[in-house]
Amino acid sequence: KAGVTQTPRYLIKTRGQQVTLSCSPISGHRSVSWYQQTPGQGLQFLFEYFSETQRNKGNFPGRFSGRQFSNSRSEMNVSTLELGDSALYLCASSLPLAGGQNEQFFGPGTRLTVL
Amino acid sequence: AQKVTQAQTEISVVEKEDVTLDCVYETRDTTYYLFWYKQPPSGELVFLIRRNSFDEQNEISGRYSWNFQKSTSSFNFTITASQVVDSAVYFCALSEADDSGAGSYQLTFGKGTKLSVIP
Repeated sequence: KAGVTQTPRYLIKTRGQQVTLSCSPISGHRSVSWYQQTPGQGLQFLFEYFSETQRNKGNFPGRFSGRQFSNSRSEMNVSTLELGDSALYLCASSLPLAGGQNEQFFGPGTRLTVL
Repeated sequence: AQKVTQAQTEISVVEKEDVTLDCVYETRDTTYYLFWYKQPPSGELVFLIRRNSFDEQNEISGRYSWNFQKSTSSFNFTITASQVVDSAVYFCALSEADDSGAGSYQLTFGKGTKLSVIP
């Protein structure tokens, strides 16, 4: 069974640009979450999607957005990039069971560098 | 708000030594889930274990064992006879149950403990 895939793996952008990252969950997984990982802040939750709806959102500015398609694939978008957006962006998928009990399976991440 | 603290930032051990990684959590809920993940240099987080708040049984899986104590809000992870391949960053995480039943939740991670196993 294929794992979570993320594209691209590496990305270099300049301040002010926008970027779109893609995530394909494990087959059958309908919940997709996004996390930002930086040396200073660690792993922080961005948002979670289920059935094309954003169910939960972390404490990030509106420049960070996302969406989910009918096949459960998800994209996240960051507009007007800032230097502080440089990070490893991790996508995770899980089965849609209630209660927060599911383990999330993570992709390899997209390393975004903003110059 | 939920919080996870991993006080040990970095640990170095010599191969074959035992090592314990500490995790202390804070939550208002009585129902919650605790996780450990491993992040090797490649960057991908690897799931190790899940424990729910109603199950305080310790668990052993090969060289790995976990000690969950609600009284001290701790969920510690021990690697016995460490190996070089165990070198990685280990994260403890907490997930609170979603009262709405919609299944929406988020993982709150600790800052991680970087384990270096020296041959």
